[in-house]
Amino acid sequence: EIVMTQSPATLSVSPGEGATLSCRASETVTTNLAWYQQKPGQAPRLVIYGPSTRATGIPARFSGSGSGTEFTLTITSVQSEDLAVYYCQQYNSWPLTFGGGTKVEIK
Amino acid sequence: EVQVVESGGGLVRPGGSLRLSCAVSGFTFSSSDMSWVRQAPGKGLEWVAFINSNKNNIYYADSVKGRFTISRDNAENSLYLQMESLRAEDTGVYYCARDVLFDFWGRGTLVTVSS
Repeated sequence: EIVMTQSPATLSVSPGEGATLSCRASETVTTNLAWYQQKPGQAPRLVIYGPSTRATGIPARFSGSGSGTEFTLTITSVQSEDLAVYYCQQYNSWPLTFGGGTKVEIK
Repeated sequence: EVQVVESGGGLVRPGGSLRLSCAVSGFTFSSSDMSWVRQAPGKGLEWVAFINSNKNNIYYADSVKGRFTISRDNAENSLYLQMESLRAEDTGVYYCARDVLFDFWGRGTLVTVSS
C-alpha cells in the first residue's frame, strides 16, 4: 500500500497571503495524484489532478505541481472561503490511498 | 446538472448488515467507473471499494474485503454497497464518487455501528 503523508497538519494563513501544502508518497505515483478540498459539513470536492490540472470551476489561485513522490498544492492569495481541509490522493495503484489532510485556517 | 444521492445509512448493531444505494443522474453512469469512499467521524477519507463500468474489475480496501460487496445496475443508474459483519470501526459517512479520480461526489449517508 502506498502511504501518503501530508504536511503541515494545520496551516494558519492571513487573507491575501499564499499557502503551500505538501504531499509525499511512500513510492512513486508518477503523476497520478489529486487534491481535494473539504469544507466543514460538506462532501469533498476535486481541486487539482494530474497533478497540475485544475478541476472544473476551481479558481486560478489554486495550482499543483510535482511528480513521482513529492507534490505541492499552492494557493496564491488565500481567501476566507478557502478555509477547509485539503487531502491528497494517489490513483496510481490499488488500494487507492489518501493523505491525512492539511487544515487551512484563516487568521 | 450532476446529482449523486446516497441512501440506506442508519444505526445497526455490531455484526449486522446494511445495504447502501447511490442514485446518479447528469452523467453517463453506464460508462463510468464508480467508488465508495468513507469518512469516520472527525477523521480523514478512506477509499472502500471500486467497480468499473462493465463490472469485470472490482477492488476492495483490505479493511472491508470479505465483508462488503460493491455492485451496480446500469439500467437503473445505481450503485450499491452491501455491508455484512459490521464493526464499530465501520462507523462513518459513506460517499459514492465517480471513477478513481473522484470528480463527482454525493453528500454521503451516515452509518453508525453501535450496540
